[in-house]
Amino acid sequence: DIQMTQSPSILSASVGGRVTITCRASHSISRWLAWYQQKAGKAPKLLIYDASILESGVPSRFSGGGSGTEFTLTISSLQPDDFATYYCQQYNSYPWTFGQGTKVEIK
Amino acid sequence: EVQLVESGGGLVQPGGSLRLSCAASGFTIIGYSMNWVRQAPGKGLEWVSYISSNSEITHYADSEKGRFTISRDNDKNSLYLQMNSLRDTDTAVYYCARALPSGRFLEWYYYMDVWGKGTTVTVSS
Repeated sequence: DIQMTQSPSILSASVGGRVTITCRASHSISRWLAWYQQKAGKAPKLLIYDASILESGVPSRFSGGGSGTEFTLTISSLQPDDFATYYCQQYNSYPWTFGQGTKVEIK
Repeated sequence: EVQLVESGGGLVQPGGSLRLSCAASGFTIIGYSMNWVRQAPGKGLEWVSYISSNSEITHYADSEKGRFTISRDNDKNSLYLQMNSLRDTDTAVYYCARALPSGRFLEWYYYMDVWGKGTTVTVSS
């Protein structure tokens, strides 16, 4: 199975700040990676797929990058609505696996 | 509006069975692969199972193989998860999710774009 490791687990940031979350895969997954945002008690929401393609309707302050085994999710200017938990997920091979999550908190 | 609505969750004793349903609206599931994903209380997301659009291909997480069965009824626009021999570690919110293809012909990779709100399964005596 491919293991996905996110860092950091918790991130404190201010409104307007720039935030970067890293996701590492235990084996190469090419570009087959998605990022999701989840708020407490809600379903996950797709932000980015194929490592860097922004899902329709997602604000352009979100961006994704990377390929192979190292990936990033960047929020260029953090907004109050962005405080949530973020997950990466590989869909290169079964079983699909998620990172453990990164909680973005208000500083 | 494209929507998925899960149902069938509840309290069940260890060793028991439960069948989850996921009803789609705003689109027809014909032509879409579908998935189940779960989240234990206070934990992260865990993919559970996948079914292709024509039901010919299914995949399961290792811990669910032999206990869970994914199925679909395209005429009813619905997805199902039959869960047997339930354990306390199966306690979670269960989400259904639609999968879209990316890549190229014969080399498709699927990502999950639409998720339901989830149904809660509690396994406890």
